[in-house]
Amino acid sequence: QKEVEQNSGPLSVPEGAIASLNCTYSDRGSQSFFWYRQYSGKSPELIMSIYSNGDKEDGRFTAQLNKASQYVSLLIRDSQPSDSATYLCAVKGDGGSQGNLIFGKGTKLSVKP
Amino acid sequence: EPEVTQTPSHQVTQMGQEVILRCVPISNHLYFYWYRQILGQKVEFLVSFYNNEISEKSEIFDDQFSVERPDGSNFTLKIRSTKLEDSAMYFCASSERGRGVWAEAFFGQGTRLTVV
Repeated sequence: QKEVEQNSGPLSVPEGAIASLNCTYSDRGSQSFFWYRQYSGKSPELIMSIYSNGDKEDGRFTAQLNKASQYVSLLIRDSQPSDSATYLCAVKGDGGSQGNLIFGKGTKLSVKP
Repeated sequence: EPEVTQTPSHQVTQMGQEVILRCVPISNHLYFYWYRQILGQKVEFLVSFYNNEISEKSEIFDDQFSVERPDGSNFTLKIRSTKLEDSAMYFCASSERGRGVWAEAFFGQGTRLTVV
């Protein structure tokens, strides 16, 4: 059974701080990794994708991937109250077909003004 | 900005009734998906669709479920005989490709299905 694990939180950080969100996955054959943001009652919104080991930066967001450790993380710099949401880690295999997304349960982030 | 659109936003149905959830994927995308999220739980994959056929499906996607692309724009999910446990948020998603850098999946706003 392919699993994606995340700490459910809540993770509480003060405004302006760095929020660090972590995710581990079980399928060593996974090739594509995504972070989605989900506000309560809304749909997942893609914020970052990463495909190779190392860091990928986009504005205030940095995704980090370590395939040897089967670990993905998301850093949010200068956190804002509007960043308060549940962050979903999603992993896609690269099997015979295109593979589906396997989601973690999500980490709830709360940014306090 | 192109987006995936879903209708209706909320559907209430009686147990045993058939429902059809509708989606219009992003126009240049080739891969289409249905996911569901039961309240308070994780997003779960149901089915993927490419080149007018199902390419993958999960254990959840049993004989009660079917998908169709009836025309060049719509993508539908049908549940033949709804059960109470089918109550969930159903998300349609689409991606340009199935793998690699173009595999980013974009989600619609969801249809909340309530079975009573």
